[in-house]
Amino acid sequence: DTAVSQTPKYLVTQMGNDKSIKCEQNLGHDTMYWYKQDSKKFLKIMFSYNNKELIINETVPNRFSPKSPDKAHLNLHINSLELGDSAVYFCASSPRGSGANVLTFGAGSRLTVL
Amino acid sequence: DQQVKQNSPSLSVQEGRISILNCDYTNSMFDYFLWYKKYPAEGPTFLISISSIKDKNEDGRFTVFLNKSAKHLSLHIVPSQPGDSAVYFCAASEEGAQKLVFGQGTRLTINP
Repeated sequence: DTAVSQTPKYLVTQMGNDKSIKCEQNLGHDTMYWYKQDSKKFLKIMFSYNNKELIINETVPNRFSPKSPDKAHLNLHINSLELGDSAVYFCASSPRGSGANVLTFGAGSRLTVL
Repeated sequence: DQQVKQNSPSLSVQEGRISILNCDYTNSMFDYFLWYKKYPAEGPTFLISISSIKDKNEDGRFTVFLNKSAKHLSLHIVPSQPGDSAVYFCAASEEGAQKLVFGQGTRLTINP
């Protein structure tokens, strides 16, 4: 039973399209994150939600809009996709009170913008 | 400005020998450090961590060393096994910061 699951695993789309990536965790964690792994392989935080409340927004363009309908779900919607958005997007979660010290990651969603 | 750096993109080690992965950081406010391991097509998984009040933490074959004055940490794996072949990410956090800052990873290959 997957702890943090993301869908889709692969996504290929044209520039200018809008797409969404969904994430669900069954660990009972209060905090969820989106990280982006770019072409240089760094994993960089994009957003963090604590019990549905946005707590971190790391200067991500407005075209990216996270939505957390409940504390077990954190979805990422991207408008007007650009070539530079091609990356692997990882969802993660952590328990309340742990800071960000131990994250459990999903398997990643590879987005390719043509 | 990358606050956590892993300057070796890859490392190749013979099975049974010691693997040493290195990580440098620039932010003196970091007080907790972690290593994650990542297999292809999977997410990173937590391996071992160390608090800034310690200089060594050991868990089985894995030992992490922290040198605060040099802003350097290392992960030692001994003996190395073929299943250790993966990408290893170093990460760090500030107290209460609610996020991890990652390095770019080192690909470790264990040769039989």
